[in-house]
Amino acid sequence: DAKTTQPPSMDCAEGRAANLPCNHSTISGNEYVYWYRQIHSQGPQYIIHGLKNNETNEMASLIITEDRKSSTLILPHATLRDTAVYYCIVRVVNQAGTALIFGKGTTLSVSS
Amino acid sequence: NAGVMQNPRHLVRRRGQEARLRCSPMKGHSHVYWYRQLPEEGLKFMVYLQKENIIDESGMPKERFSAEFPKEGPSILRIQQVVRGDSAAYFCASSDGNTGELFFGEGSRLTVL
Repeated sequence: DAKTTQPPSMDCAEGRAANLPCNHSTISGNEYVYWYRQIHSQGPQYIIHGLKNNETNEMASLIITEDRKSSTLILPHATLRDTAVYYCIVRVVNQAGTALIFGKGTTLSVSS
Repeated sequence: NAGVMQNPRHLVRRRGQEARLRCSPMKGHSHVYWYRQLPEEGLKFMVYLQKENIIDESGMPKERFSAEFPKEGPSILRIQQVVRGDSAAYFCASSDGNTGELFFGEGSRLTVL
């Protein structure tokens, strides 16, 4: 069973920020939050991950609440190429025998 | 540094034939994961292997499916006596086992006639 809850779909105007929420109320202290996305029929692509602190890279920012029960992925200036299914996943790093378990994700549609 | 390479990209088989899908992980990666994506559905974990060992096969169907990752060469996902329900995209991912980041290939699309 997926440990995260995401809205099934979201819309965003091109050039605006896309804020994708994720609930993970049962997250354990040693579990990280990962975000991946899958652009139509392609292989999933890693975006970002974090444990407690907010993280930023060239693709996105990850905001994790203080209690770690939810997080938000922010794409600061969405483009049409950001249209994809976005997956929020919790996982223990460095634990042998654990794979990424994908839920249904959020389908983000960016329109002009 | 080449990414995860999967081949063939497209494979057509008739019912009852065998399908073999190959995955070469990124250089330096010894952890391989196989996922299946049925049409209009999400990614389903199948199996996780390290060199010569199956670590987790909880997502593998009990019959007809097998996977290996030999000491030398690519990882192989083998499907015997394929049925139409096996038609799907099969994705392979690899990792170094340390960072937790998985790198995915572009997938192999199996069509069973």
